[in-house]
Amino acid sequence: AQSVAQPEDQVNVAEGNPLTVKCTYSVSGNPYLFWYVQYPNRGLQFLLKYITGDNLVKGSYGFEAEFNKSQTSFHLKKPSALVSDSALYFCAVRVWRGGKLIFGQGTELSVKP
Amino acid sequence: EAGVAQSPRYKIIEKRQSVAFWCNPISGHATLYWYQQILGQGPKLLIQFQNNGVVDDSQLPKDRFSAERLKGVDSTLKIQPAKLEDSAVYLCVAGIGRRSTEAFFGQGTRLTVV
Repeated sequence: AQSVAQPEDQVNVAEGNPLTVKCTYSVSGNPYLFWYVQYPNRGLQFLLKYITGDNLVKGSYGFEAEFNKSQTSFHLKKPSALVSDSALYFCAVRVWRGGKLIFGQGTELSVKP
Repeated sequence: EAGVAQSPRYKIIEKRQSVAFWCNPISGHATLYWYQQILGQGPKLLIQFQNNGVVDDSQLPKDRFSAERLKGVDSTLKIQPAKLEDSAVYLCVAGIGRRSTEAFFGQGTRLTVV
């Protein structure tokens, strides 16, 4: 069965420090991988996606993610965290282009000044 | 514009009452999904439509939930009767088709069952 795991419920980072939000997946076939962010009382917003090509994908707001096929991971990263990055982050996977999105359980990122 | 409109934005009902949600995607979205997002959790798929037809409803609690898609465009999701554990945000997500990786999210309907 296809699944996505975000092993950390919460990540705490000091402003200006690098951040990493972890995601691992389990699918049969080539995965299409996504990161979404959700601010309080707001809808899901698309951050970035990996379809094919370079393993390092750059997205919105300075975020990037690295696809690692051997480790079946797609960790979200940012070199320098901002307080405004504090939000709930979801990793998701699709098995084929038009297929359903399977979401992880979410990681709450807290960036302190 | 590839938008997805949902209504209502918020709904409060008592348990055992009925409720319906509407999703209005921009025409051209062949694929439509309804997700349930309980507070603090990731969205969980309830049902997937491809045009008028149901592709996957394996996670839909069919004893109380029903959904339809009219003419391959608009969709409604109904709960009858509602339970306390149905309190969640119900997301409508649309996709252009099998060849597209893009997914367009509605803002969701926040349901509170009291």
